[in-house]
Amino acid sequence: NAGVTQTPKFRILKIGQSMTLQCAQDMNHNYMYWYRQDPGMGLKLIYYSVGAGITDKGEVPNGYNVSRSTTEDFPLRLELAAPSQTSVYFCASIRGQATNEKLFFGSGTQLSVL
Amino acid sequence: DAKTTQPNSMESNEEEPVHLPCNHSTISGTDYIHWYRQLPSQGPEYVIHGLTSNVNNRMASLAIAEDRKSSTLILHRATLRDAAVYYCILSSLELGGSTLGRLYFGRGTQLTVWP
Repeated sequence: NAGVTQTPKFRILKIGQSMTLQCAQDMNHNYMYWYRQDPGMGLKLIYYSVGAGITDKGEVPNGYNVSRSTTEDFPLRLELAAPSQTSVYFCASIRGQATNEKLFFGSGTQLSVL
Repeated sequence: DAKTTQPNSMESNEEEPVHLPCNHSTISGTDYIHWYRQLPSQGPEYVIHGLTSNVNNRMASLAIAEDRKSSTLILHRATLRDAAVYYCILSSLELGGSTLGRLYFGRGTQLTVWP
């Protein structure tokens, strides 16, 4: 059971380039989340999805877009990359919305924008 | 969201027990207490969670105060692999769903384990 898989693990972008961070889960979880973590800081929520076709903004959505066409996949799109988007990005999923459910995280994508 | 307070850092020697405290004085009756940890260069991983009673699993134990305003994560014998940032967070019900995925994982407690 792979859990939550993120690709790529590392990426360097030039200012103004675009890219898509991939996230896939094989646990049939309805709820998926994207976070960013700056050095020495906590995780901030970028976007989340409560099911296929439904997405909503988190705390720091500017400069990002998401889509959720299937239950398994939740890609994060960066348009016009900026140095402020240099960070480690984590994807996570959770099965349901009971308060005793567990979050499952991917291993992260380290992105540098130069 | 109910908030938690943790020390910024703690240290332990290998094979000694570690008690990681967390204060959550504004916890409500239905909030679950969750602990996650983040090993270097990895995503956070689930450790343990509980509501009222103490909980044990293969990774750790969770001791919850009788008034639920604080809890302690107990690592019975710390290993070098337990060196990580430990997050204590509360999951609440909001708009019919859990807030867990939408919570801010703060700085947590950085645990250093010495050989």
